[in-house]
Amino acid sequence: DGGITQSPKYLFRKEGQNVTLSCEQNLNHDAMYWYRQDPGQGLRLIYYSQIVNDFQKGDIAEGYSVSREKKESFPLTVTSAQKNPTAFYLCASSIQRGATNEKLFFGSGTQLSVL
Amino acid sequence: SQQGEEDPQALSIQEGENATMNCSYKTSINNLQWYRQNSGRGLVHLILIRSNEREKHSGRLRVTLDTSKKSSSLLITASRAADTASYFCATDAYTDKLIFGTGTRLQVFP
Repeated sequence: DGGITQSPKYLFRKEGQNVTLSCEQNLNHDAMYWYRQDPGQGLRLIYYSQIVNDFQKGDIAEGYSVSREKKESFPLTVTSAQKNPTAFYLCASSIQRGATNEKLFFGSGTQLSVL
Repeated sequence: SQQGEEDPQALSIQEGENATMNCSYKTSINNLQWYRQNSGRGLVHLILIRSNEREKHSGRLRVTLDTSKKSSSLLITASRAADTASYFCATDAYTDKLIFGTGTRLQVFP
């Protein structure tokens, strides 16, 4: 059964704590993305990666970090430097053909809240 | 950064009616995509229209693209209660990433 798996579904962060959100895909897609969604808002791009061992900052990268050691995995760490981390986090992947964006496949999201 | 803006922000209709939502964007694009999101879930891709296309259909969905006006519309015909969701447009502006709009919240009453 192919797709994108995000875990956990709900996550709570304490003050000063780093937390890591998992994203795994078995679609053999080259490109992976992390978006943040605040209530009633659209999606804002945090980081994206088009190839293993390479990633680029999106529009709101401050306070976040990522790694892309394997094609199928793109974990996101929300660091203590992110002062307003409460949001719904969405991971996505796509086939990347040059500069053309094909459709994104999304995971079911992780809701992060601050204790 | 360049972003699509959907209009209206919210739309309420009865089952069987048509729902139309619009998306405007700022710069030239390679393609424009529409996505649907049920509450608390991930987004699901609905349709992709390329800059050299003017209209595209998929089941009860019809998407139009007017590159001269930098706008797109999504029409859902004969709406059902199950169509209740938020709908987002996304554009690429010839970059390697998609930028999403703020969405239209559609409520379809039985």
